[in-house]
Amino acid sequence: DSGVTQTPKHLITATGQRVTLRCSPRSGDLSVYWYQQSLDQGLQFLIHYYNGEERAKGNILERFSAQQFPDLHSELNLSSLELGDSALYFCASSVGTGGTEAFFGQGTRLTVV
Amino acid sequence: GIQVEQSPPDLILQEGANSTLRCNFSDSVNNLQWFHQNPWGQLINLFYIPSGTKQNGRLSATTVATERYSLLYISSSQTTDSGVYFCAVVGGSTLGRLYFGRGTQLTVWP
Repeated sequence: DSGVTQTPKHLITATGQRVTLRCSPRSGDLSVYWYQQSLDQGLQFLIHYYNGEERAKGNILERFSAQQFPDLHSELNLSSLELGDSALYFCASSVGTGGTEAFFGQGTRLTVV
Repeated sequence: GIQVEQSPPDLILQEGANSTLRCNFSDSVNNLQWFHQNPWGQLINLFYIPSGTKQNGRLSATTVATERYSLLYISSSQTTDSGVYFCAVVGGSTLGRLYFGRGTQLTVWP
């Protein structure tokens, strides 16, 4: 158990819908990262939050947004879903921002039908 | 961004065999991690090894940061070692964001 909790584990939804993925980091970790894993693109960085503030954006679509709350949990919102958004979404946490060890949650497997 | 290349892309072994997985990266790094993704999709931390050598049971890893590569050694492989092994790095100015390689798919047969 990495200590990073993601919910839900599986999600099936229809095109055009909106979903929210939730992540609770390890106790004491201030950084939360979101990654998307698809068969053709591999593991891609989406966005990074540190202590409630957005610190970096990667290949995140405009239809996607995220936030980190005062209790440090984070949510990734995916809207106007398309078939191509089907993927495994991971949250990771680490203590800081300078390359400290990252730990991953179990992931949320999203299927858009 | 940093380019991370892993080799080989696929590896098939019989139980008991040893193997070496390689990770090359294109720039200096603050962090290098090896992960095992099991058949259920979980990413399991194997090593946090920006430089030097570490061992954990049958697994060991070495990173030579000055030459921009890392090696993961698996000895006496078991069927439970099957899965995808990822190398991921954090660059000097990327605030902890990990750049992943495409992975090595390992299959161990009994």
